[in-house]
Amino acid sequence: EIVLTQSPGTLSLSPGERATLSCGASQSVSSSYLAWYQQKAGQAPRLLIYAASARATGIPDRFSGSGSGTDFTLTISRLEPEDFAVYYCQHYVSSRWTFGPGTKVEIK
Amino acid sequence: EVQLVESGGGLIQPGGSLRLSCAASGFTVSNNYMTWVRQAPGKGLDWVSVIHTGGYTNYADSVKGRFTISRDDSKNTLYLQMNSVRAEDTAVYYCARVGSWTSYGIDVWGHGTTVTVAS
Repeated sequence: EIVLTQSPGTLSLSPGERATLSCGASQSVSSSYLAWYQQKAGQAPRLLIYAASARATGIPDRFSGSGSGTDFTLTISRLEPEDFAVYYCQHYVSSRWTFGPGTKVEIK
Repeated sequence: EVQLVESGGGLIQPGGSLRLSCAASGFTVSNNYMTWVRQAPGKGLDWVSVIHTGGYTNYADSVKGRFTISRDDSKNTLYLQMNSVRAEDTAVYYCARVGSWTSYGIDVWGHGTTVTVAS
């Protein structure tokens, strides 16, 4: 069973700053099935990135994903006020979805 | 507009049963993988179950044998039958669509329905 970890647990940044979020897998995984979601308080998650680096429909280009093997990164180039939220990475294999514990991006 | 609307949540005693419903609009449930994901209070996302286009189903180990996912194609609705519920099943339950072009990323989510298991 693949376990996903995310770091840091909380990221305190100011609007306009760059955010770098990490997702680690307990074993090498296919980047084709690695996704990232954003969840704001009281809302459902929203798909940001799939296949490690492809932006979902309507996602601004300040969001980018990268990585392979066991290490993946979500980067927000310049934080907008609406970007402060919790971010989850997720992996799919054999009809199972596994989520990481999340990284909270909060206003410094 | 593509939309999912869950219903059926509520307060239920340990050991009891509950059926969640998820009405879809703007797309056909049977043409997509459909899934349930839950979120316990203050916790992260936890995948529960999936139903494939062909009807194949799969479950997280924590709910296998207790929960059953199904769909009614005539009503374009997804269900989750929850039996023998436990306190640890307390969560917001999201109905969601697995995208056809998103490498199994989940691209449409309902607003969620809250299930509270307590005596």
